[in-house]
Amino acid sequence: KQEVTQIPAALSVPEGENLVLNCSFTDSAIYNLQWFRQDPGKGLTSLLLIQSSQREQTSGRLNASLDKSSGRSTLYIAASQPGDSATYLCAVYTGGFKTIFGAGTRLFVKA
Amino acid sequence: DAGVIQSPRHEVTEMGQEVTLRCKPISGHNSLFWYRQTMMRGLELLIYFNNNVPIDDSGMPEDRFSAKMPNASFSTLKIQPSEPRDSAVYFCASSIAGGPGEQFFGPGTRLTVL
Repeated sequence: KQEVTQIPAALSVPEGENLVLNCSFTDSAIYNLQWFRQDPGKGLTSLLLIQSSQREQTSGRLNASLDKSSGRSTLYIAASQPGDSATYLCAVYTGGFKTIFGAGTRLFVKA
Repeated sequence: DAGVIQSPRHEVTEMGQEVTLRCKPISGHNSLFWYRQTMMRGLELLIYFNNNVPIDDSGMPEDRFSAKMPNASFSTLKIQPSEPRDSAVYFCASSIAGGPGEQFFGPGTRLTVL
């Protein structure tokens, strides 16, 4: 059974710092991995989608990497800003119409 | 593009009442997902439609839950009768290519059952 774990559960950093969020999954047989952002009381916003054949994806200050063999993905945020404060979730699609979500990392960027 | 639209945004009801949540997917998307989010269990997939046909409803918790998609632009999730443990945020998402495709989420419906 696929399990997705995100560490740390919460993170507080000063503005301007570069940071890394981690996502691990137990079954490497995935089709893709997607990173989302969720603001309090809001829905999920898709940030990056990495197909299983890809190693990384970049969008602005965000860079996501994928290492299927080790069951890991990282989301790198450069030059963090207070507006980046949110919960970040990763989700893996393993086929069979199942998308498994991690519990998320709650990020707080202090001004 | 308006994105995925859900209504109502908030619903407060009493135990035993029927609740109907509504979703309009992004135009052109052929897959629709209903999720439930709680503090205890996180985000859980309830049911998945492809081309308006329910493909996998194994996540639907009980027979009290039912979902329909009468056409490509509308879906409902119904709970009858509702119970306090159904209180959660219910999200609808759509994608252009089913599971392998990028999923786009609606703003959610926060349901409170008293």
